[in-house]
Amino acid sequence: QQQVKQSPQSLIVQKGGISIINCAYENTAFDYFPWYQQFPGKGPALLIAIRPDVSEKKEGRFTISFNKSAKQFSLHIMDSQPGDSATYFCAASRNQGGKLIFGQGTELSVKP
Amino acid sequence: KAGVTQTPRYLIKTRGQQVTLSCSPISGHRSVSWYQQTPGQGLQFLFEYFSETQRNKGNFPGRFSGRQFSNSRSEMNVSTLELGDSALYLCASSLGQALGEKLFFGSGTQLSVL
Repeated sequence: QQQVKQSPQSLIVQKGGISIINCAYENTAFDYFPWYQQFPGKGPALLIAIRPDVSEKKEGRFTISFNKSAKQFSLHIMDSQPGDSATYFCAASRNQGGKLIFGQGTELSVKP
Repeated sequence: KAGVTQTPRYLIKTRGQQVTLSCSPISGHRSVSWYQQTPGQGLQFLFEYFSETQRNKGNFPGRFSGRQFSNSRSEMNVSTLELGDSALYLCASSLGQALGEKLFFGSGTQLSVL
């Protein structure tokens, strides 16, 4: 049973545009929602994370929006750059240390 | 500070064999988690070790096992390899003390089962 659903599977954005990736979860016990960025040949790296007690968190060009009632959260990348081209994973956890439930990933391509 | 180190980087095995993968966490980190990454199933949690004890376990068959040593280094073993075990195996380390701790991933071991 897939507990975190991520869309779209792939995304092409022009340089300077906004990239938006969405995730939906089922388990209301989840209380930690990170986003990871993965480049080819590398492991995922934490980008930004949010707890359900806030509706938005911003770090530089990256923003997480969180809708607890809808059980959805999204990543917005402002002023997207070619260097942002990577695969992005949303994830969720319920107080289980290193155990994260990942979405299927979104392959982002930012065109110059 | 050195990052998470996984060895070997690539591995080719045949069906029925067993394999052992190694992970050295960041110095001071006591938690090591293992994940399997495949194009079809994405990133799936295998298990987590903290202070030499398995703290969490995913939904993988018993052929997948792990252990952690007193220096926090961890090994993962897969016995009786199947073609479907071909994947990138990632380990991640963290301090292991709180919810929402940042996981630091290694670059993985690419396992091919022929």
